[in-house]
Amino acid sequence: GAVVSQHPSRVICKSGTSVKIECRSLDFQATTMFWYRQFPKKSLMLMATSNEGSKATYEQGVEKDKFLINHASLTLSTLTVTSAHPEDSSFYICSARGDAIQETQYFGPGTRLLVL
Amino acid sequence: GQNIDQPTEMTATEGAIVQINCTYQTSGFNGLFWYQQHAGEAPTFLSYNVLDGLEEKGRFSSFLSRSKGYSYLLLKELQMKDSASYLCAVMDSNYQLIWGAGTKLIIKP
Repeated sequence: GAVVSQHPSRVICKSGTSVKIECRSLDFQATTMFWYRQFPKKSLMLMATSNEGSKATYEQGVEKDKFLINHASLTLSTLTVTSAHPEDSSFYICSARGDAIQETQYFGPGTRLLVL
Repeated sequence: GQNIDQPTEMTATEGAIVQINCTYQTSGFNGLFWYQQHAGEAPTFLSYNVLDGLEEKGRFSSFLSRSKGYSYLLLKELQMKDSASYLCAVMDSNYQLIWGAGTKLIIKP
């Protein structure tokens, strides 16, 4: 199956700092990447969808200026949490999909963010 | 609105069979996915159904009935490592994935 990596796997930062999370598709070209957030014992919440070379589409209620997404190449997307606050502490997971719109999404291992 | 329903939690015994149901109401249908998610980890892909019927993959099978808006995931010969949450997701007419809340499966020896 397709492999998606995410880095870092875990990050602890101080309130007010920015954190960048990378998502890479290792063995396929990811035309579309998705960023999710998941709180403990809750379902996945889609934050935004990004297509290579274009601006991300954010879900309702997700602040685009706070969660900056860049999808500069077919194998890399980044999520930057700007001016992080304790309420941003969560499990952030990316997924990637190839060319065909109905293709399976493959998930990265996730990044656990703790903001102190 | 769009809705995916699946039981919150199920318990089964090691070596037994368990069926996890998923019903959905979505605007359009372009396939149904099942993912497995172990605690603290990201989801991993299990199966994809777009046509009616049963898809078998080793110990896991997934069934779809589009007319009934219904799917199930069947797990045979349960092992302790199958303890996880199982997520049902439907791709709607806009090719967006609509996620269920997941079913936590507890396997007892």
